Amino acid sequence: DTEVTQTPKHLVMGMTNKKSLKCEQHMGHRAMYWYKQKAKKPPELMFVYSYEKLSINESVPSRFSPECPNSSLLNLHLHALQPEDSALYLCASSQDRWEGANYGYTFGSGTRLTVV
Amino acid sequence: GQNIDQPTEMTATEGAIVQINCTYQTSGFNGLFWYQQHAGEAPTFLSYNVLDGLEEKGRFSSFLSRSKGYSYLLLKELQMKDSASYLCAVRENYGQNFVFGPGTRLSVLP
Repeated sequence: DTEVTQTPKHLVMGMTNKKSLKCEQHMGHRAMYWYKQKAKKPPELMFVYSYEKLSINESVPSRFSPECPNSSLLNLHLHALQPEDSALYLCASSQDRWEGANYGYTFGSGTRLTVV
Repeated sequence: GQNIDQPTEMTATEGAIVQINCTYQTSGFNGLFWYQQHAGEAPTFLSYNVLDGLEEKGRFSSFLSRSKGYSYLLLKELQMKDSASYLCAVRENYGQNFVFGPGTRLSVLP
């Protein structure tokens, strides 16, 4: 298995809702990432988990709450979002944060989130 | 901090060769990556350079000059399916995450 699987693919939620995005990989990767991407913009890093521990939080608002239950799963819990949070949310994984040459992240296909 | 610059848009003809440039200014350097992203899809890893020179992978090649803070992605024998955004990303230090440049939207015309 060489994929990162994200569910759901599309999500519409109200500003008072609570929802979760899920990401799963079975490549034995020990680093997992959440990125946010607005239309026609590059991905922006949100969180990095390394060996199931949060190692980077790029000043993301608390209405986004990441969770890494085990080495294969990464969740992003959403609560009280704003319309401007509408974006494509990408999950990625890599062998670990200190890989040597010639590697790249494996990205999931993303969850397109619309906040209404 | 990092400053990564790429042209916003480029247009080329099917069968032609196109070069997408990336310049960067960073406090450290530990690798430069190129990704391809089709609209609405996930980025796909294309290449990685950490030493000066050219890396070739089929129709795609990537070049790096660390002294000039410069890289390019060369696409040969362009196909319509190459129409996508091409993202340059730089890692400052070993073990750290990398940061994406603004991306170049390439349109391949018949």
